[in-house]
Amino acid sequence: AQSVTQLDSHVSVSEGTPVLLRCNYSSSYSPSLFWYVQHPNKGLQLLLKYTSAATLVKGINGFEAEFKKSETSFHLTKPSAHMSDAAEYFCVVSVGAGTALIFGKGTTLSVSS
Amino acid sequence: GAVVSQHPSWVICKSGTSVKIECRSLDFQATTMFWYRQFPKQSLMLMATSNEGSKATYEQGVEKDKFLINHASLTLSTLTVTSAHPEDSSFYICSASPLRDRNTEAFFGQGTRLTVV
Repeated sequence: AQSVTQLDSHVSVSEGTPVLLRCNYSSSYSPSLFWYVQHPNKGLQLLLKYTSAATLVKGINGFEAEFKKSETSFHLTKPSAHMSDAAEYFCVVSVGAGTALIFGKGTTLSVSS
Repeated sequence: GAVVSQHPSWVICKSGTSVKIECRSLDFQATTMFWYRQFPKQSLMLMATSNEGSKATYEQGVEKDKFLINHASLTLSTLTVTSAHPEDSSFYICSASPLRDRNTEAFFGQGTRLTVV
């Protein structure tokens, strides 16, 4: 069975400091992994995706994530938080063509000035 | 990127009435679309898989007679919440992918905020 665990339900940082959102996955197959962001009452936007190419993936808005198979992790990072980064972040796994995505429970990122 | 349009973005309806939500892929064809539900401060939960030209596949615990899904064309899937009740109030989101390829990202509609009063 496939699953995704986001280790923190809420992360608070100050503007200009680094962001770390943690995600571990479990999959019987070689997974594709995604991070999506959702702003209040809005749809989902793809930040970045890992699809068995480079293990360090760069996404939009300065975010990046590193796929570590030995640790079954796909943590999302950003060197310097911005106020506009405050949102809900979902780590997502996909395991087959035409299959639905499996979402983590989400991490709420708060950014203070 | 590809665009998925969901309509309406919000709706308020009376208890007992039915509400139809549309999900359209605007610039690609999708044989499969997915419907998710998101309760406040919770993650997205898959409700059903909409298959063009055939019956939808529902997740365990989702009433197929209550949440009617129709995927009549390669660019349109509809979700109808029948005899809506306040507990059906939620944020509903659809998704679709241009290709049957797990490496292709899914594109999401804007979501529909349903409030049943």
